[in-house]
Amino acid sequence: SQTIHQWPATLVQPVGSPLSLECTVEGTSNPNLYWYRQAAGRGLQLLFYSVGIGQISSEVPQNLSASRPQDRQFILSSKKLLLSDSGFYLCAWSVRTAANTGELFFGEGSRLTVL
Amino acid sequence: AQSVTQPDIHITVSEGASLELRCNYSYGATPYLFWYVQSPGQGLQLLLKYFSGDTLVQGIKGFEAEFKRSQSSFNLRKPSVHWSDAAEYFCAVGGTHTGRRALTFGSGTRLQVQP
Repeated sequence: SQTIHQWPATLVQPVGSPLSLECTVEGTSNPNLYWYRQAAGRGLQLLFYSVGIGQISSEVPQNLSASRPQDRQFILSSKKLLLSDSGFYLCAWSVRTAANTGELFFGEGSRLTVL
Repeated sequence: AQSVTQPDIHITVSEGASLELRCNYSYGATPYLFWYVQSPGQGLQLLLKYFSGDTLVQGIKGFEAEFKRSQSSFNLRKPSVHWSDAAEYFCAVGGTHTGRRALTFGSGTRLQVQP
C-alpha cells in the first residue's frame, strides 16, 4: 500500500532563518506531488505541484521554493523565513495517469511557527 | 476556473442529531467531487468521492453525500452524529486546470458536537 511521510511534524524557527520540510511517498511510482499551506482558520492554499523530477510549478509568488530531487521526494524550502510563513503545511500525492481524477492523499502535516 | 463554496464556517450539533454540511461548486464540465475530514493537527482523510453514476455516494464513518447537478451542490450528510465526528470538513472539486488535475478546496466547515 502507499504511504506518505512528512517531517518534521513541528518546527519553531526565528524570522530570517532557513527552512526545509521534507516529504516522501512510498508504494507508488511517478506520482504528482503537491505542497499546500493551511493558515489558521483558513482553507488550503496550493503552493507548488510537481509532475516529475525537477519539474516544479508555483501557484503563488512567495518566499518559498520547492524541489523534487527524486521521483518520490518533495522538499519545501525557504532561505529566509517571514512571520507570514507560519502555518500548517501539507504534502500530498496523486496518481499520474490519464485516469487521474485529482484525488489527493495527504501526509500528516508539518506545523511551522515563525517567531 | 473551478471554485468551491462552503457557506457555513462553523456548525454545532448535539450528539445523535442529524448533520448536513453544504457545498456548492463552480466548474464548467462534469466535476469530480470530494469530501475530506481533518482532525486537529492532522492531515486530511478522504470521506467519500463522486466521479459519475449514482448521485448518492456512501463514504466511511457513516457519511453520505448527494450530487445535485441542477444546484451545483454536493452536500454531506450523516443521520446521527457521534462526538468523534468533531473535526473540520473540506469539500473539494477536481478538474483539468492548466494541463494538470488539481483539487480546489473550500474554506472548510468546523463541526462541534455537544454532548
